[in-house]
Amino acid sequence: QVLLQESGPGLVKPSATLSLTCGVSDYSISSGYYWVWIRQPPGKGLEWVGSIYHSGTTYYNPSLKSRVTISVDTSKNRFSLKVNSVNAADSAVYYCARLNCTGGCCYPDYWGQGTLVTVSS
Amino acid sequence: DIQMTQSPSSLSASVGDRVTITCRASQSISSNLNWYQQKPGKAPKVLIYAASSLQSGVPSRFSGGGSGTDFTLTISSLQPEDFATYYCQESYNTPTLTFGGGTKVEIK
Repeated sequence: QVLLQESGPGLVKPSATLSLTCGVSDYSISSGYYWVWIRQPPGKGLEWVGSIYHSGTTYYNPSLKSRVTISVDTSKNRFSLKVNSVNAADSAVYYCARLNCTGGCCYPDYWGQGTLVTVSS
Repeated sequence: DIQMTQSPSSLSASVGDRVTITCRASQSISSNLNWYQQKPGKAPKVLIYAASSLQSGVPSRFSGGGSGTDFTLTISSLQPEDFATYYCQESYNTPTLTFGGGTKVEIK
C-alpha cells in the first residue's frame, strides 16, 4: 500500500505562488514510476497539472506550462508543485498520485486525500 | 491535444438498472483509456484500465469496452454504493493525461 499525503497552505493570495508538497510512504520514489499532480475546482471535473519522473524529467499541461514547476526530492521521498501568479481559477482540490503504467496504458493508482487551495485576498 | 467527451453528463437510474456511460476521444487512442469512480470528498478510484481490464478489488458488475475513439463503461446492475461521478481518462501520450468531463449517476 503506497501512501501519499499533500501538504501546504490552504489559502493563497492572488498573484502569489501556490506551493504544495506530496510526501510518499511505503514506496521509494527512486524505484520508478511517474508521479503526478491533478486538480479539481469545486464542483468541477479533473484536470491533469503535470507529471515528473524520479530522474526529474517533467511534463506539464500546456494550458498551465508557463506558470507550473514540479520538482522531486528523492532524499526526502517527496515531490512538489509550484504554480506562479495564481488567480481565482486556480482554486481547487489538488491531488498527488502515482502513475502506474501497465501494458502501455497509464493511470493514477494511488492517490493522496487531496488538499483544498483557495485563492483569495 | 486530445479531447475526451463523456456522455451523458448526468443520468438518473434505479437500483438494479443497467447503466452505460460513453467516452469519445478526438483521435484514436488505441486502448489507452481508463475509468474512475469518485464519491463526494474523496479521491477518484480506478475501476477499469486499458479500456477493459478490471482493477483488482473492483466488483465484476463493472465492465469496460471499446478501442480507437469510442469507449463504454457499463454497470450491469446498479447498486446503492454506485451512485457517484464517473470519469474517463486517456493516456495515449504518456505521461500526459486528459480526463473526460464526468458523468454523475444519481438515484431515480
